[in-house]
Amino acid sequence: NAGVTQTPKFRVLKTGQSMTLLCAQDMNHEYMYWYRQDPGMGLRLIHYSVGEGTTAKGEVPDGYNVSRLKKQNFLLGLESAAPSQTSVYFCASSTWRSGANVLTFGAGSRLTVL
Amino acid sequence: DAKTTQPNSMESNEEEPVHLPCNHSTISGTDYIHWYRQLPSQGPEYVIHGLTSNVNNRMASLAIAEDRKSSTLILHRATLRDAAVYYCILRPIIQGAQKLVFGQGTRLTINP
Repeated sequence: NAGVTQTPKFRVLKTGQSMTLLCAQDMNHEYMYWYRQDPGMGLRLIHYSVGEGTTAKGEVPDGYNVSRLKKQNFLLGLESAAPSQTSVYFCASSTWRSGANVLTFGAGSRLTVL
Repeated sequence: DAKTTQPNSMESNEEEPVHLPCNHSTISGTDYIHWYRQLPSQGPEYVIHGLTSNVNNRMASLAIAEDRKSSTLILHRATLRDAAVYYCILRPIIQGAQKLVFGQGTRLTINP
């Protein structure tokens, strides 16, 4: 059982380039999320999805787009990367356990924008 | 989202119990108390959650105050592997994918 898998694990971009981070989960979870984590800070929610074909904005959505065309995949896109988007990105999916919504996170994708 | 307050850092010794406090004075009656932890260079992982009663699982225990305005995560015998940032988070009971908002958490250091 792989859980939540993120690709790529590392990427270096130049300012203005575009890229897509892929998140895949094999647990049949309805809900998926993208977070970013900057040094010494907690996680901040970028976008999330409550089901296939639906997405919603989190705390820091600007500069990012997402898509959830298949239930098991949640893509995070950067159309024109900026140095401020240098961060570690975490994907998560969630399901209900004992009455509460519990998240499973991926290992992270470290992105550097030069 | 209701706010939680945790100490920035705590230190303990290996094989001793650790009590990690969390204050949530503005908690509503429909909020679950969740704890996650993040080991170095890894994604966060779920630890435990509870509503009103104390909870135990293989990883930890959660003690919830009678007025629910505070809670304590208890690691019964800390190991070096328990060194991590611990996050206390409130989430409402209502159905749906509520946003999970992380604060700064408590950085736990375990001394050998």
